[in-house]
Amino acid sequence: GAGVSQSPSNKVTEKGKDVELRCDPISGHTALYWYRQRLGQGLEFLIYFQGNSAPDKSGLPSDRFSAERTGESVSTLTIQRTQQEDSAVYLCASSLAQGGGGTDTQYFGPGTRLTVL
Amino acid sequence: DQQVKQNSPSLSVQEGRISILNCDYTNSMFDYFLWYKKYPAEGPTFLISISSIKDKNEDGRFTVFLNKSAKHLSLHIVPSQPGDSAVYFCAASHAGNNRKLIWGLGTSLAVNP
Repeated sequence: GAGVSQSPSNKVTEKGKDVELRCDPISGHTALYWYRQRLGQGLEFLIYFQGNSAPDKSGLPSDRFSAERTGESVSTLTIQRTQQEDSAVYLCASSLAQGGGGTDTQYFGPGTRLTVL
Repeated sequence: DQQVKQNSPSLSVQEGRISILNCDYTNSMFDYFLWYKKYPAEGPTFLISISSIKDKNEDGRFTVFLNKSAKHLSLHIVPSQPGDSAVYFCAASHAGNNRKLIWGLGTSLAVNP
């Protein structure tokens, strides 16, 4: 079975340009998360989607960041007017989200390495 | 404010010996803890997890121990193999925060032949 896939694997852009990153979760996984890891730092949560519920956007660093998800499938993370501090590896993860107090494991894609010049 | 801490940035062990990676947390709401392994240019790979209702979980060469009173967990790898060389991340979550993972900064493990 396919794992989480992300595209592109690498993206180099100029400051001020918009970029769009894509994530295909594992089929059947209702929960989808975006994280990022900047150089020398830990992974930080960005946004969470669960089914048709309103997304948890509490980790988005600014209003230049937005994300969408169509149903329980593909998600796109968009960064407008990119800045050099946006340079990072952007990671997507999905999980079964068994609901209630259940715990479940997040499975990660390979990430998109974004470099803003 | 680092809620999950991995105080050792690196660890070096001899092949065949035990590797012990440590993790401390501050948020008593956390009830699920995970260890991920990461190779360069790849996403984190899930290794093993433990729920707060347990104090030990074992999977082959990997065992995770949880000490809730000390807010401490550890990952034991026995015996260590050169292929285990990677960065290991400790992560934690709780139901109240949509299970978003809060991460440590990682420990780079080198297993020497």
